[in-house]
Amino acid sequence: QSALTQPASVSGSPGQSITISCTGTSSDVGGYNYVSWYQQHPGKAPKLMIYDVSNRPSGVSNRFSGSKSGNTASLTISGLQAEDEADYYCSSYTSSSTPGVFGTGTKVTVL
Amino acid sequence: QVQLQESGPGLVKPSQTLSLTCTVSGGSISSGGYYWSWIRQHPGKGLEWIGYIYYSGSTYYNPSLKSRVTISVDTSKNQFSLKLSSVTAADTAVYYCAREYSSSSYLDYWGQGTLVTVSS
Repeated sequence: QSALTQPASVSGSPGQSITISCTGTSSDVGGYNYVSWYQQHPGKAPKLMIYDVSNRPSGVSNRFSGSKSGNTASLTISGLQAEDEADYYCSSYTSSSTPGVFGTGTKVTVL
Repeated sequence: QVQLQESGPGLVKPSQTLSLTCTVSGGSISSGGYYWSWIRQHPGKGLEWIGYIYYSGSTYYNPSLKSRVTISVDTSKNQFSLKLSSVTAADTAVYYCAREYSSSSYLDYWGQGTLVTVSS
């Protein structure tokens, strides 16, 4: 099972919107609405930001939103803030023999 | 508020067995509806799913590690554990335990992570 493909880095200025893509296959992202997104600051554990493609857990800012089209899921961060600078990982349920599959990770830089 | 805490040696010798325990508080492992997972992250790298266990004892392992991994659960102590045998330097990583919602595979609570270094 290969990792889901994400861009290595995305950057934006404060207040701007950025979008991170997560590309898989019909066996994972495209086949199920079970895509989640995690934010990880240096030295910290990942934090769930989006689940089931577009749902936000309680306490997560509504500046974070998720969507999916075909085999590609996306995370959009609007009104970019300095605190959003972190690594972001997508994850998906998969019909293959692994428990789940993560994306390659994207480093978000706030300029 | 569910909390998870990993514990175990931070240094393991090559060829030995890595053993970690995750203690869950604020919720019961036996309540059902969740898988109890182990994930690792090699230094400066991405996340890798190791496997998970259900409170009943059912397990699911990453095929790339399956021959060396054992995950077990102790519901009386509200803990679950990871054993990884025949470790090499390639197993040096931060190991996280996490709770996975079984119906849709997302990890909603994570431990803080523990660095395990494999070195003689």
